[in-house]
Amino acid sequence: DTEVTQTPKHLVMGMTNKKSLKCEQHMGHRAMYWYKQKAKKPPELMFVYSYEKLSINESVPSRFSPECPNSSLLNLHLHALQPEDSALYLCASSQGLSTGELFFGEGSRLTVL
Amino acid sequence: QQPVQSPQAVILREGEDAVINCSSSKALYSVHWYRQKHGEAPVFLMILLKGGEQKGHDKISASFNEKKQQSSLYLTASQLSYSGTYFCGTESETSGSRLTFGEGTQLTVNP
Repeated sequence: DTEVTQTPKHLVMGMTNKKSLKCEQHMGHRAMYWYKQKAKKPPELMFVYSYEKLSINESVPSRFSPECPNSSLLNLHLHALQPEDSALYLCASSQGLSTGELFFGEGSRLTVL
Repeated sequence: QQPVQSPQAVILREGEDAVINCSSSKALYSVHWYRQKHGEAPVFLMILLKGGEQKGHDKISASFNEKKQQSSLYLTASQLSYSGTYFCGTESETSGSRLTFGEGTQLTVNP
């Protein structure tokens, strides 16, 4: 199984809502990532988890809250988002933290009204 | 710091060749290449590590000149399936496992 599965594929939320994005991999990878991608732009790194511990937070606003419940799961909790947060949120995993192939999920397309 | 990719876009006819360049102002540890088709996830193509290594599979290959902090992706005898946006991602020696992507090169292969 070489898949990274993300749910939901699409999400529309208001600025006062609380929602979560979920990501799952069963490749035994020890590093997991959240990227944000705007239209016609490259993915931008948000968070990196290594061995279930947060190792990189790219100064992401606190309205985004990551969680890694176990080595296969990664969540991104969303609260009080702004319309400019609308984007494709990509989850990725790799065997290790440095210089490894990133396996990306299909992404969750988020629209904030 | 974000690497610089060129060209921004290229249009080819099937069977033609293309080169996509990626350069950085920082000392690089590795360069990654990914392809993303519209509405799909980025897909890994290859990694080049410090050492000037050249890699390739099928008709897609890449080189890494660590003295110039430049990498090039070579697509030969292009196929329709090569269409998509190509991103280089770089890790510098001081970036601490952060992969930073360039703006991308949109490649279109026409019949």
